[in-house]
Amino acid sequence: QKEVEQNSGPLSVPEGAIASLNCTYSDRVSQSFFWYRQYSGKSPELIMSIYSNGDKEDGRFTAQLNKASQYVSLLIRDSQPSDSATYLCAVRRRTSYDKVIFGPGTSLSVIP
Amino acid sequence: GAVVSQHPSWVICKSGTSVKIECRSLDFQATTMFWYRQFPKQSLMLMATSNEGSKATYEQGVEKDKFLINHASLTLSTLTVTSAHPEDSSFYICSAGGLGGTEQYFGPGTRLTVT
Repeated sequence: QKEVEQNSGPLSVPEGAIASLNCTYSDRVSQSFFWYRQYSGKSPELIMSIYSNGDKEDGRFTAQLNKASQYVSLLIRDSQPSDSATYLCAVRRRTSYDKVIFGPGTSLSVIP
Repeated sequence: GAVVSQHPSWVICKSGTSVKIECRSLDFQATTMFWYRQFPKQSLMLMATSNEGSKATYEQGVEKDKFLINHASLTLSTLTVTSAHPEDSSFYICSAGGLGGTEQYFGPGTRLTVT
């Protein structure tokens, strides 16, 4: 079993719709969870971090964490063509001294 | 936010030569830096964890004699790809972590092409 799994996609949504991205992880001691956005040929950019169960909202983005189910998701409301990118789910055990394990990424395409 | 730079942003070298990539944290002290490699259409794969003043910890399957990592100061880590081969062509990205509990910040990456 891979440590962090995501649907590879591609996921296509029309402009203005909600995009839902899912991620599961295998290490129960994980405490920090991240969503990164990566445009082609660029470095990952941190979108959201979440550390406790429940929802965390930041603008059009909402991260959801369920540690019991070892599941984390990202919702993008009012999707824009500029949101088209690969979204990487990442997991870390404790502090920034610990390594971050990335999932394979989900490719999102927002159709105008 | 914290800024991490990498140099060079891209490099082309001949097979058999060595290439050094620098990773700098510009506005904070990075006690830990991480080196990743990303092949086209694949996710980031952690190569090694670098702690200032000590030897790097390499992930399984990464040749420590081929990928030399030096973390000489709290703001600089270097990755040297020795005797590069075409299969080493990839996108190399570093990230830096500061005080415990903060996020890691990624550099812009270095694209290496070995001919």
